[in-house]
Amino acid sequence: QLQLQESGPGLVKPSETLSLTCTVSGGSISSSSYYWGWIRQPPGKGLEWIGSIYYSGSTYYNPSLKSRVTISVDTSKNQFSLKLSSVTAADTAVYYCARQFRGRWLQPIMDVWGKGTTVTVSS
Amino acid sequence: QSALTQPASVSGSPGQSITISCTGTSSDVGGYNYVSWYQQHPGKAPKLMIYDVSNRPSGVSNRFSGSKSGNTASLTISGLQAEDEADYYCSSYTSSSTPHVVFGGGTKLTVL
Repeated sequence: QLQLQESGPGLVKPSETLSLTCTVSGGSISSSSYYWGWIRQPPGKGLEWIGSIYYSGSTYYNPSLKSRVTISVDTSKNQFSLKLSSVTAADTAVYYCARQFRGRWLQPIMDVWGKGTTVTVSS
Repeated sequence: QSALTQPASVSGSPGQSITISCTGTSSDVGGYNYVSWYQQHPGKAPKLMIYDVSNRPSGVSNRFSGSKSGNTASLTISGLQAEDEADYYCSSYTSSSTPHVVFGGGTKLTVL
């Protein structure tokens, strides 16, 4: 059974870079059928799609975050990662990684999710 | 402000049916049959309930159904049960700006 697990620092200082990794187990990240994505949820608020990556390295980003976001993949470790630069308190959120079905378009079909990891931006 | 508009809350009694709306534009909901719905219980990760407007993943109850008319998608839950109480989010592909995914602001469903 496919499982995703987020990992990374729970506390990041303002203006620094948030870095998270998602480890995929029970399946290969190199599947041609899926993207691998990041979604976040600020406390008490709704979901926000951050971006997705294909195992070849091609990426899609939320235009509102694009200037600060980098998503990368390491197929040898079955992992993909998120970097968000110049963070502020507004980036405090639960960050989820998810498997996203790769269809004709960037369909919002996230069928397997990690449990999420809380990241707080504070000095 | 979310790209897709949902009511903040809906409620219903056990056994009843409720519908949650999700309004977008011709660049997202109205332009493509790529709307998904997610259920999220407190402290848990979202769960995919509907994809491509009206398709149910394996294991999701047939009490959940989806539809679309113009720029508005809808999620209907029939035969409400206590365990349906949760937050529900719609999501769509959008061609606005660069291709990406947008979510609605979420709807809190209360089972009375």
